[in-house]
Amino acid sequence: GAGVSQSPSNKVTEKGKDVELRCDPISGHTALYWYRQSLGQGLEFLIYFQGNSAPDKSGLPSDRFSAERTGGSVSTLTIQRTQQEDSAVYLCASSLGATGFNFKGPKNIQYFGAGTRLSVL
Amino acid sequence: AQSVAQPEDQVNVAEGNPLTVKCTYSVSGNPYLFWYVQYPNRGLQFLLKYITGDNLVKGSYGFEAEFNKSQTSFHLKKPSALVSDSALYFCAVRGLYGQNFVFGPGTRLSVLP
Repeated sequence: GAGVSQSPSNKVTEKGKDVELRCDPISGHTALYWYRQSLGQGLEFLIYFQGNSAPDKSGLPSDRFSAERTGGSVSTLTIQRTQQEDSAVYLCASSLGATGFNFKGPKNIQYFGAGTRLSVL
Repeated sequence: AQSVAQPEDQVNVAEGNPLTVKCTYSVSGNPYLFWYVQYPNRGLQFLLKYITGDNLVKGSYGFEAEFNKSQTSFHLKKPSALVSDSALYFCAVRGLYGQNFVFGPGTRLSVLP
């Protein structure tokens, strides 16, 4: 598609329920990132995918959070047994991918989706 | 470990005046530095990046940033601010060998008419 698409745009759920957030990256982008932005806060890195593998999961805040990516394209972020502190905007970004030394091109630029606003009641 | 600091939560500037949004970083090796802007209820948009070469980088909407290796800084500047520049600005860094981008906490810029 023309840009990074995230769905749903808004999600309201009850505490203890599971939620799935979806990200459709720009076609051909091999790198995909998930971030969390809490109200008035900066971006908190969650997880990074290169292709279907996730070399960096260091940002996932607990084992209730998981993410997968299939076919090198769509990614799903799953939050199990949601808590009120999970309420935030979840942002997805994709980039062409950036390995190696040739960084002069557009590979390093991340393109962000509009985010999913998650509210846990 | 990589880190980014944006020492000012809020910057206020009058329309037509020059603006500066500060960013300092810490990274092993050569840094790759970025500025993103987030308008209200919108996703983040890329403004500019420094990879190598000229220390003064020009980007979108008349913004520029200067890479200063000795001060480990990458301040965002614009010669004449517009009210429409009011937004949340994020500085980000990536190391040569790291695959992860680290974002600063953001600086809210308000340009007053």
